[in-house]
Amino acid sequence: GENVEQHPSTLSVQEGDSAVIKCTYSDSASNYFPWYKQELGKGPQLIIDIRSNVGEKKDQRIAVTLNKTAKHFSLHITETQPEDSAVYFCAARGVNTGFQKLVFGTGTRLLVSP
Amino acid sequence: DTEVTQTPKHLVMGMTNKKSLKCEQHMGHRAMYWYKQKAKKPPELMFVYSYEKLSINESVPSRFSPECPNSSLLNLHLHALQPEDSALYLCASSQVGRGNEQFFGPGTRLTVL
Repeated sequence: GENVEQHPSTLSVQEGDSAVIKCTYSDSASNYFPWYKQELGKGPQLIIDIRSNVGEKKDQRIAVTLNKTAKHFSLHITETQPEDSAVYFCAARGVNTGFQKLVFGTGTRLLVSP
Repeated sequence: DTEVTQTPKHLVMGMTNKKSLKCEQHMGHRAMYWYKQKAKKPPELMFVYSYEKLSINESVPSRFSPECPNSSLLNLHLHALQPEDSALYLCASSQVGRGNEQFFGPGTRLTVL
């Protein structure tokens, strides 16, 4: 089945810096890659997603890139703000693991210091 | 309405109790999910309902019993749980089909004594 690895597990940046979180996946048939932000005491919230027919997607300060050949995708946050502090999860959905099953990475705790 | 609601927010139960978790959405989604999340871990899929029928059961112990009475509601019935079942239980919903965003609820924090 699908396996997703995520790095780093923790990331500390200064306000205004950029943050990059990287994920690799194992199932070459995976075709959907969402990123979730989870704040303390809340459920995960989708912040951006990308499909396998697209190499990059951007939404204001957030961007995601996908390299299908290398089977990795990354989240880029520019001009970080303290409110970006949260745990971020990447996920992948593979055709062979059930069309609705998301496999999550282990999470990255992002801390943005003022 | 783009919200998934879950009740209760917190639940403490003994190992002999029977309780239920409830989830509701009014987005017209026909797929609904239960996830279990332990502290500092990612969500783990438990069950998926598609068009009110159970489509995925990730080998979850029978002390967890899901129910989807209609397209807007999802229940998780709990019986004879163990302390290691203490976790955040998340409900999510989506359109049926590939690449459809899953909307998560805030979760129920369950403690089993």
